[in-house]
Amino acid sequence: GENVEQHPSTLSVQEGDSAVIKCTYSDSASNYFPWYKQELGKRPQLIIDIRSNVGEKKDQRIAVTLNKTAKHFSLHITETQPEDSAVYFCAASIPGTYKYIFGTGTRLKVLA
Amino acid sequence: NAGVMQNPRHLVRRRGQEARLRCSPMKGHSHVYWYRQLPEEGLKFMVYLQKENIIDESGMPKERFSAEFPKEGPSILRIQQVVRGDSAAYFCASSQGQPNSGNTIYFGEGSWLTVV
Repeated sequence: GENVEQHPSTLSVQEGDSAVIKCTYSDSASNYFPWYKQELGKRPQLIIDIRSNVGEKKDQRIAVTLNKTAKHFSLHITETQPEDSAVYFCAASIPGTYKYIFGTGTRLKVLA
Repeated sequence: NAGVMQNPRHLVRRRGQEARLRCSPMKGHSHVYWYRQLPEEGLKFMVYLQKENIIDESGMPKERFSAEFPKEGPSILRIQQVVRGDSAAYFCASSQGQPNSGNTIYFGEGSWLTVV
C-alpha cells in the first residue's frame, strides 16, 4: 500500500547549524508534498510544500527538494534557531484519493 | 479569517460513553478531513467529507466511529462506546478544493480525547 518513510526520527543540531529531514514515498504518481511543523500540544502547521513539476522551492531559511526519479523529498532548514524545535511531518498526496499519507515525524531539537 | 475551529479542545470520557467532536472549517472551505494522532505518532487519515456527503471513509474503524457534515452546522466525529485505545488527538482539517488537485489542507487545533 501507500507508504511514506521519514528519517531521522530525532535530530539535534546546534543553533545556527543546518538541519535536513528526508522522506521517501512509494506511489510514483504522488504529485504534491507538503511539510508540517507541530509544536507540543498544537496543531500541525504547513510550512512549505512542493508540487511534482518543480525540483526545489525555497522560503527564507526553509527549502524543499524533490527527486521524482528516486521518489525522495527533503526539508532543509538553515541557520536554525531554538524556535525551530518541533516535530516535522512530511506528507504525500495519493492520486485518485482525497488523503495525504504522513511520515512518522522527526523531532528536531535546536540547542542554544 | 478564522481558521479551522474545533471543540472541545479536551474531552474526558469513561469507557463505554460516547464522544462527539465538532469541527467548523475555514470560511470558504467545503472539504473537511478528520485525522487521528496517537501519542508520539504521526497523523492517520480517517475520513473525508463534503457537505452532506462522505467521500472517503477508508481510514475509519468499521465499528463505533461515524462522521457527518450536515448542510448546516459543523462536521461531527462521533465515537460510541469509547475504549482506552481511542485516547488520542483528533485533528480536523479543511481545504477549498480537493487535495489531489493540489489544494492545501489546514488543520484545526485538535481535540484531545482521554478515555478513563
